[in-house]
Amino acid sequence: QVQLVQSGAEVKKPGASVKVSCKASGYTFSDYAIHWVRQAPGQSLEWMGWIHAGTGNRKLSQNFQGRVTISRDTTADTAYMELSSLTSEDTAVYFCARVVTGYFEYWGQGTLVTVSS
Amino acid sequence: QSALSQPASVSGSPGQSITISCTGTSSDVGSYNLVSWYQHHPGRAPKVMIFEVNRRPSGVSNRFSASKSGNKASLTISGLQAEDEADYYCCSYAAGSFWVFGGGTKLTVL
Repeated sequence: QVQLVQSGAEVKKPGASVKVSCKASGYTFSDYAIHWVRQAPGQSLEWMGWIHAGTGNRKLSQNFQGRVTISRDTTADTAYMELSSLTSEDTAVYFCARVVTGYFEYWGQGTLVTVSS
Repeated sequence: QSALSQPASVSGSPGQSITISCTGTSSDVGSYNLVSWYQHHPGRAPKVMIFEVNRRPSGVSNRFSASKSGNKASLTISGLQAEDEADYYCCSYAAGSFWVFGGGTKLTVL
């Protein structure tokens, strides 16, 4: 069965960077795109970007002003999301998800990133 | 990229029907039949309830239905049940290979 397993919770100081991983299993990793979505406390879901695991093509939300990097390692069937210049407003649960035929079909369990001095 | 517009909250009694609207623009909802709806309980991964405007994934109750007209999409839940209480988000593909979520609607079953 398709599974997306994310790395564990992180606590970071303002100004630091965080890198979250998303390991895929149960399907051919290179055939699909992985998207990243976050939810800050009390806020809505926010789309961050995607990367096609096979081609490496990607698209990033302009809302992050160049602070987000999405990458993948096809040898490890793993996608990564790195967010830099963290502020308290980046405290959120970060999800990876696989999109098929236009919707987010499978989701990771979420990774809590807390930014605090 | 601006979030799609949803009402902050809706409520209904068991057995009633409710409708949640999702208003976008001609660059997203109005141009693509790639509108999906998600049920979300805080702390858990969202669950898709509707995809491609009005299609239900296997296993989702037929009490959930949806439609789209112009730049506005709608989700209707009929025969409300206590278990339907959750946050609901619409999502659309947008021009330029972007995606956008709605602001979310909190459904309360009275």
